Formats: sequence, structure tokens, C-alpha cells
Amino acid sequence: RKEVEQDPGPFNVPEGATVAFNCTYSNSASQSFFWYRQDCRKEPKLLMSVYSSGNEDGRFTAQLNRASQYISLLIRDSKLSDSATYLCVCMDTGRRALTFGSGTRLQVQP
Amino acid sequence: DTGVSQNPRHKITKRGQNVTFRCDPISEHNRLYWYRQTLGQGPEFLTYFQNEAQLEKSRLLSDRFSAERPKGSFSTLEIQRTEQGDSAMYLCASSSTTGGANTGELFFGEGSRLTVL
Repeated sequence: RKEVEQDPGPFNVPEGATVAFNCTYSNSASQSFFWYRQDCRKEPKLLMSVYSSGNEDGRFTAQLNRASQYISLLIRDSKLSDSATYLCVCMDTGRRALTFGSGTRLQVQP
Repeated sequence: DTGVSQNPRHKITKRGQNVTFRCDPISEHNRLYWYRQTLGQGPEFLTYFQNEAQLEKSRLLSDRFSAERPKGSFSTLEIQRTEQGDSAMYLCASSSTTGGANTGELFFGEGSRLTVL
């Protein structure tokens, strides 16, 4: 079983739609969580951190449920430019290395 | 450009040959990471350095792989006796520790794509 599991998608949504991605992690020692974005043939880049209380950054909302070991990302009012792969990422602070999921591919269509 | 720089960007080699990749991190970053990514997968951790010290190596990193960061600046990743299964994108990333905090933000280079024939 992978340490970080994501639905690979693709999620095909129209512009303006709301879409949600989920992620589960198996390492209970994971303490910090992030969403990264990776455009096709590009390097991953940090989208946002995920805090226990939930956090929002513009159209993006991240949630963490430690009891269920579950992380989510909600994108409202999808734009064509949101088309990318979204990587769920965990960090065990004892290790300092990030563990990436396989990613969920989003395609926003006009 | 002051981002993470990797070279070569592309390398095609025959099975059994050795290859070396170089990474130049962002200059003030003390941590440097190597990841490997194949199609449809997320980046897979290989190893990381804090300054010149190699602090962790993935058990996935066979003895054919070696990484160095001799002066705490650039790093090299060498793969000896390459196999077809080594074909992947090799990503380098760097980060800094500020006041002991780790924000989890890694700055990735554009990667070195290896094709083993």
C-alpha cells in the first residue's frame, strides 16, 4: 500500500465548476501536509499548506482530518489555467523529506 | 535565473553505462533533495542533504546510485551500470531552514530526463 493515496483521475470539469480532490495517508507519524501543483512536463510547485483547522487561499480550500488520515482540496470557480496534476504531500517531521502521492489530474474544459 | 538548475536536461545512454547528473540549488538553501519521477507517478524520494551531510537515503536507492554534495553547494547523482528501469525524470529540489522551521516548500529544478536503451 502506498503511503499517500490519491485518485489519479482525470477529473474533467467545465469552467466555473467546483471540484474536490481527496487523499489518504497511512503514516500516522505524518505531521505536516501540503498540496503541490504540477503542470504537464514541468516541475512540482507548492500550492498551499494544509492546516488542522482548514485553510483557504482564494478559490482553494484545504482540509485535514487527522482522525481519518484524510486530506482534501476544493477548487471553486475552476479556470482553464487550473488544469494540472495536484499532488498530495505529507511530511514526517522526524524525517524532513516529503512523501508525494501519485497525483490527481484535473482538466478544466471551456 | 536564480532557481534550481539541473544538467544535463536530457540524457540517453545504453544499458550498462554510467551517468552523472548535477544540481545547483538556490544559493542560500542548505537542504538539497533528489527525487525520481516516472510517468503517472508522483516524485519518489531518493536522498537528501543538509549542507554537505547526507542525512537520509531511501531504501529504493540501490548501491548503483550515489549522491554527493562535497562543499554543501552543488550536488551530483551518479548511476552506475544503468538499467532500463532507471529511465525516469530525476528531480533536484532545495529548501532552507529558517529559524529551525520547515515550511515544506521545496523548490524543484526542471529535472534531468534519463532514457536507458
